[in-house]
Amino acid sequence: GEDVEQSLFLSVREGDSSVINCTYTDSSSTYLYWYKQEPGAGLQLLTYIFSNMDMKQDQRLTVLLNKKDKHLSLRIADTQTGDSAIYFCAESKRSSASKIIFGSGTRLSIRP
Amino acid sequence: EAGVTQFPSHSVIEKGQTVTLRCDPISGHDNLYWYRRVMGKEIKFLLHFVKESKQDESGMPNNRFLAERTGGTYSTLKVQPAELEDSGVYFCASSQKVGTEAFFGQGTRLTVV
Repeated sequence: GEDVEQSLFLSVREGDSSVINCTYTDSSSTYLYWYKQEPGAGLQLLTYIFSNMDMKQDQRLTVLLNKKDKHLSLRIADTQTGDSAIYFCAESKRSSASKIIFGSGTRLSIRP
Repeated sequence: EAGVTQFPSHSVIEKGQTVTLRCDPISGHDNLYWYRRVMGKEIKFLLHFVKESKQDESGMPNNRFLAERTGGTYSTLKVQPAELEDSGVYFCASSQKVGTEAFFGQGTRLTVV
């Protein structure tokens, strides 16, 4: 079946690193995504990784994929107040790339 | 360039009434998708249009929901009659080709009372 799970809340001190974790069940997933939703805004694609990759880095963002354990993580270095948002983990398959399966979202809050 | 726009941003209706949500995709995007997030849970796929044709409507919950995309431009999603469990945020997205980045609108928050 298709299921993406992530914890609901994460609180991090400003300047520290944030690590948001996600697990998925569908081993045929081809694309794995992280979306960000700021208050009152739509979903913004932050980054994505192909299932044949282990890691992808983009400035302060690092995505790690453990395909064996079906575990995806998003690390945000030097977390800032502007990083406060809900982060959605998602996956899709090449055969049905139009259908993205989302997790419930992790609300990241930043402490001063 | 304008992004995906959705109207209205908020809607509060009574149970049994009808509501129509509208989505204007990015110009030139043939692919249009509807998703919804109910009760703070995961965002779920509803359906996918390619131009005016329904490519995949496997996520539509029941026949109270009707999506249209006449002319292959904007799309509407009608809920008739609305039930309490239909409350949530309805997102629209569009992409140029299947498998390329889908750009999401800001969503319509629907509250059925």
